[in-house]
Amino acid sequence: ETGVTQTPRHLVMGMTNKKSLKCEQHLGHNAMYWYKQSAKKPLELMFVYSLEERVENNSVPSRFSPECPNSSHLFLHLHTLQPEDSALYLCASSQAGGRYEQYFGPGTRLTVT
Amino acid sequence: DQQVKQNSPSLSVQEGRISILNCDYTNSMFDYFLWYKKYPAEGPTFLISISSIKDKNEDGRFTVFLNKSAKHLSLHIVPSQPGDSAVYFCAASAGTGANNLFFGTGTRLTVIP
Repeated sequence: ETGVTQTPRHLVMGMTNKKSLKCEQHLGHNAMYWYKQSAKKPLELMFVYSLEERVENNSVPSRFSPECPNSSHLFLHLHTLQPEDSALYLCASSQAGGRYEQYFGPGTRLTVT
Repeated sequence: DQQVKQNSPSLSVQEGRISILNCDYTNSMFDYFLWYKKYPAEGPTFLISISSIKDKNEDGRFTVFLNKSAKHLSLHIVPSQPGDSAVYFCAASAGTGANNLFFGTGTRLTVIP
C-alpha cells in the first residue's frame, strides 16, 4: 500500500450503531488529520494529531471520538450519530510543523439512516 | 465565517486555452497557500503551493499568483487539457503548529475537447 488509505470506503449506519473509520499513512509523516466534507461546504477540519498528540479539536460533537495509537494510524470512532452527520470523511497526513502539504486518503462516504 | 472563498463554483474552458481559477481570503495571518485537485471518488491531491514571501510559483503548466494586498490568489493552467477536469480547492494556512488548513468550497473545472 502507498500513500494514505482509508477503510471502509462506504458506510451506512443507523443512529444507534457504533462504528469506526480507519486511516493508515505509508508516507513517514508525523501529523494526521480528520476532515468532514458536506455538500456545498468547504472541508471542515475536525481533529489534528501531531506526534501522536491531539493538538486540535474544532468543536466537534462528542459522538465523534478520534484515536491515534501511533504515527501511522488514525481512527474515528462513531456512536449515536445524526442524519446530518452524513458526509465524506477524509483523512490526511503531513510532516508536522507547518508549511507542509497534506496528503489525503480517498475518504469514507458515511450515510446515517 | 468562511476565511477562504472561491466565488466561482464552476468554469468551462476549451482545450488548449488558459484556465484561471480564483481564490480570496480574509485572514491576514495566512502566509502559506495551496491548491488541490479532486477527482470524483478520490481524495484531494496536492498541486502547487506558494509562500507569502513570493508572488508567483510555477510548476509546469501550473502557475499560482499571490496578491497579498488584495488577499487574492489565482491558479493558471496553460494549456488546459481534458484530464484537468476536476474540482479545484484553494487552501490557506497561518503556518503554525501542525499546519491547519482552511479550504474554499472549490471550483469545478471542465475542459472541453
